[in-house]
Amino acid sequence: AQSVTQPDIHITVSEGASLELRCNYSYGATPYLFWYVQSPGQGLQLLLKYFSGDTLVQGIKGFEAEFKRSQSSFNLRKPSVHWSDAAEYFCAVGAGNTGGFKTIFGAGTRLFVKA
Amino acid sequence: GAVVSQHPSWVICKSGTSVKIECRSLDFQATTMFWYRQFPKQSLMLMATSNEGSKATYEQGVEKDKFLINHASLTLSTLTVTSAHPEDSSFYICSALYREGRNEQFFGPGTRLTVL
Repeated sequence: AQSVTQPDIHITVSEGASLELRCNYSYGATPYLFWYVQSPGQGLQLLLKYFSGDTLVQGIKGFEAEFKRSQSSFNLRKPSVHWSDAAEYFCAVGAGNTGGFKTIFGAGTRLFVKA
Repeated sequence: GAVVSQHPSWVICKSGTSVKIECRSLDFQATTMFWYRQFPKQSLMLMATSNEGSKATYEQGVEKDKFLINHASLTLSTLTVTSAHPEDSSFYICSALYREGRNEQFFGPGTRLTVL
């Protein structure tokens, strides 16, 4: 069964500083990988996804993520954080099987941005 | 992009009553929808997979008689919390599978349920 680990419960960065959110997954084959962002009381917004091909994927709002098969990782990065990036970030792994598609979410990392 | 709506966005009800939450895909047809539950400051937990025209598939530990799911059309799935109790208070989020082959889901804005 697939699983997702986000080691950092929360991270604080200064506005303008770079950001990296960690994500490790467990799955027997090449998974579909996602990063979502959630503002308080809101639904989820897809930042980016990886299905195949280029292991460095670009997303919205200046985010990017790199799939590293050897490390089973899919870390999210942003070169310069803005105050509006403060939110909860979820890494997710999706896979299909005879029972249909299923997406499993990590526990989330809350990002705080200080001025 | 694809849009998924949920109604209501929030609901307060008395203990013992039933509450229905609707999830609609507004500009695409979704044969598969998912229902998640999210407790404060926690991640999303998949409750069930809703397939149009067939019975929902529930995750282990989710009571199918308590959380009734109906997916009667390609654009609508409903979740009914029957005989709600305070411990059912949570944030319920649905998603619709946009592309079957690539597991692309679009999420609704969520429904905040508070049971008094």
